[in-house]
Amino acid sequence: GAVVSQHPSRVICKSGTSVKIECRSLDFQATTMFWYRQFPKQSLMLMATSNEGSKATYEQGVEKDKFLINHASLTLSTLTVTSAHPEDSSFYICSAENRQGNEQFFGPGTRLTVL
Amino acid sequence: KQEVTQIPAALSVPEGENLVLNCSFTDSAIYNLQWFRQDPGKGLTSLLLIQSSQREQTSGRLNASLDKSSGRSTLYIAASQPGDSATYLCAVPYNTDKLIFGTGTRLQVFP
Repeated sequence: GAVVSQHPSRVICKSGTSVKIECRSLDFQATTMFWYRQFPKQSLMLMATSNEGSKATYEQGVEKDKFLINHASLTLSTLTVTSAHPEDSSFYICSAENRQGNEQFFGPGTRLTVL
Repeated sequence: KQEVTQIPAALSVPEGENLVLNCSFTDSAIYNLQWFRQDPGKGLTSLLLIQSSQREQTSGRLNASLDKSSGRSTLYIAASQPGDSATYLCAVPYNTDKLIFGTGTRLQVFP
């Protein structure tokens, strides 16, 4: 149980295009999901908290207009990187919180490369 | 603000050795601490979750301890194997359910 999937696992795009990444909780419902970013050889940094049915909460320094988050159902959150640039190239990982709110389950990550 | 650091940053050992990875946090008001494993280019695998009321947790060859008062946790890996090679991350919650991750320890176990 407690499986989280991400799609796609890898994406390469041209500068200026938008990319959508999906995060799904497969066997449980998650009112809260989180999006992290990880640069090479660095730890994960929280970008935003995604709440089902309401606006996402962004961490300081994260542009909400650039990283659009939609959490339209209890099993799906999407992160859209708008007008992507090479500096947005990174590993994006999502997690979904259990009902008790005391544990997060992580997706396998999405490698974004912007040319 | 909570800060989480891990020592060492990198470790290379021959297989069979017993290892200790360290995690330090500055704010001891945590309700749990979690250890993860990350293989290159992959997501996170949760290894052990220690509640604040617990002192340690064990899973197979892994044992994690937690000392809240001193702001430390250790991950002990017994009889290391090449398959243990990965980056190990600790994480603590802040602002109720957000996680802040440590800097990670890159472990390489060679045959």
